[in-house]
Amino acid sequence: QKEVEQNSGPLSVPEGAIASLNCTYSDRVSQSFFWYRQYSGKSPELIMSIYSNGDKEDGRFTAQLNKASQYVSLLIRDSQPSDSATYLCAVNTPSGTYKYIFGTGTRLKVLA
Amino acid sequence: DGGITQSPKYLFRKEGQNVTLSCEQNLNHDAMYWYRQDPGQGLRLIYYSQIVNDFQKGDIAEGYSVSREKKESFPLTVTSAQKNPTAFYLCASSLTGTGNTEAFFGQGTRLTVV
Repeated sequence: QKEVEQNSGPLSVPEGAIASLNCTYSDRVSQSFFWYRQYSGKSPELIMSIYSNGDKEDGRFTAQLNKASQYVSLLIRDSQPSDSATYLCAVNTPSGTYKYIFGTGTRLKVLA
Repeated sequence: DGGITQSPKYLFRKEGQNVTLSCEQNLNHDAMYWYRQDPGQGLRLIYYSQIVNDFQKGDIAEGYSVSREKKESFPLTVTSAQKNPTAFYLCASSLTGTGNTEAFFGQGTRLTVV
């Protein structure tokens, strides 16, 4: 069973700090990686996708991918209380069937 | 506006009833997916479809059925065989079924058994 693992948290950071969210995956041939934000009671919203090793920046968000270590992370700079949510890591793996495998999410709390 | 529309937002089911959740997209996406989310849990794949008139079972397909007669529509039926159907149901779509494109979600349907 292919797995995606995240620390459930909660991860608490003060307002204005950098929040670092981590995700590991088990399938070495995974090709596509996604971060979603999910507010309580709402559906997941795509934040970023990353496909190549290295960093990808979009505003206050930076995704980092290291395929050798099977590790993907999301950095949120200048964290705001409105960033408080659960962040889901998703991996798509071409293991015979193309589907997205989700981690259970990390709950982030940004303290004002 | 382009997007994915799920209806209804809330649904109540009596024991022994079948209910159908609607999912429509106007993004011209080939692939569509149904996930179930239980409180404090991750998303679990129920069914997915990479192309019209074709669909595959996911990890928890028992007690559910789907159809994909039109590209835009992927309804999910929760049958009476599903013993614990109370959950948050999420429909998603992606441009292709190859796994290399982003998936987008509808607003979800919250199903409760009464």
